[in-house]
Formats: sequence, C-alpha cells, structure tokens
Amino acid sequence: GEDVEQSLFLSVREGDSSVINCTYTDSSSTYLYWYKQEPGAGLQLLTYIFSNMDMKQDQRLTVLLNKKDKHLSLRIADTQTGDSAIYFCAALNQAGTALIFGKGTTLSVSS
Amino acid sequence: EAGVAQSPRYKIIEKRQSVAFWCNPISGHATLYWYQQILGQGPKLLIQFQNNGVVDDSQLPKDRFSAERLKGVDSTLKIQPAKLEDSAVYLCASSLPRGRERGWGPSYEQYFGPGTRLTVT
Repeated sequence: GEDVEQSLFLSVREGDSSVINCTYTDSSSTYLYWYKQEPGAGLQLLTYIFSNMDMKQDQRLTVLLNKKDKHLSLRIADTQTGDSAIYFCAALNQAGTALIFGKGTTLSVSS
Repeated sequence: EAGVAQSPRYKIIEKRQSVAFWCNPISGHATLYWYQQILGQGPKLLIQFQNNGVVDDSQLPKDRFSAERLKGVDSTLKIQPAKLEDSAVYLCASSLPRGRERGWGPSYEQYFGPGTRLTVT
C-alpha cells in the first residue's frame, strides 16, 4: 500500500525559510496535502497540490512536487514562532477514499 | 461555519473497560471519518462513512472496535474491551462528497475535529 515518509525534526530561526520534505510511494496518488497540527489541536489543512502540477504558491507557502522522484516539499517563507507545530504530509490513497499520512515533521522556530 | 465537534476531549480508562466517543460533523458534510493517531505517528484511517453507510472499514479492529452513524449525521466510535495499545488520539473528520467542494476547486478536503485523547492504564 501507499507509504509516506518525512524527516522528523526541523529547527530554524525566525525570519528564515523552512523547507519540509516528504516522499511517497504510490505514483497514482492524485492529491497530495500538507496539514499543520498545533499542540492539543486537530489537523488544519494548509495547502494541497494536484498531481498534474509542479508548484503551488499560497502567500508564504510554496509546495513543490517532483512526480518522477515522488517527492513533495513545503517551503514556509519568513518563518514565524507561530509556525512552530507538527507538519504532516498526506497522500490520497489509490481508491480515493482516505488520506495516508506521514509521521509528521516537528518544526521548531527560535527567535 | 461551526467546525467538527468531538467529545469528550480526554478520557482515562483501565484496560478491559469500554469507552465511546462522539462526533458531530460540519453541517451538510455527508462523508465522515474516524482516524487513530498514536503518539509520534500520523493519523491512520479506521472507518469512513458516506451518509450512514460504511465505505471503508478495512483497518478497523472489528473484534473490539465498532462505529455507527445511524441517521447520517452524528457518529459514535466504541472500544470494548480496551487494550493498552489503544491509547491514542481519536480524530473525527468530515468532508463534502468529492466533486462538490467549494472555493478551492476539486480538492478532497477533510476538516478535522480537535480529537479525543484516550489513555488506557
């Protein structure tokens, strides 16, 4: 079945850019997502990209998709302390019925 | 627009006891999901409902877990009897059926509730 992998930790300084990386195994995944989870809260959808796109930009967020390498990245420009959270990469499963999540990347932003 | 509601937010039980969680999805969302999130891992789908019918329950441990969505709105997830390894956050999510998303186009957007943190001792 589909598998999604991410690096577990990332530490950056306030004002720098953050890049969180993700790889997935199923090339037929049509939608790929980035979710944010703050302590004690549910998951918040940040952005998504359809598999026929290479890039999507949404304010401070840029998503890059390399379909050949099955690699997805999320870039956060001008990272703020409020961006500290766990970021999950997710892929829509083959049946299109559910999301397969990675283990999450903990982003720590220091001032 | 009100979000996905879940209760209780926290529950502590002893192993072999029973527990039930409740979810109220966003109004009008026909699809409802229950996910299990074990500490340090991403959420894993347990069951998906479309209205009051089950779409996918392939990862639901049916010997101890059950879920229902009788009127196609609220849903309950039950564990009976609980084991230590059931300690996790149980997340409920809802979405419009695919092809009826608003705003962002044809995305498959799920809205998550705050979750119920279950500790089994």
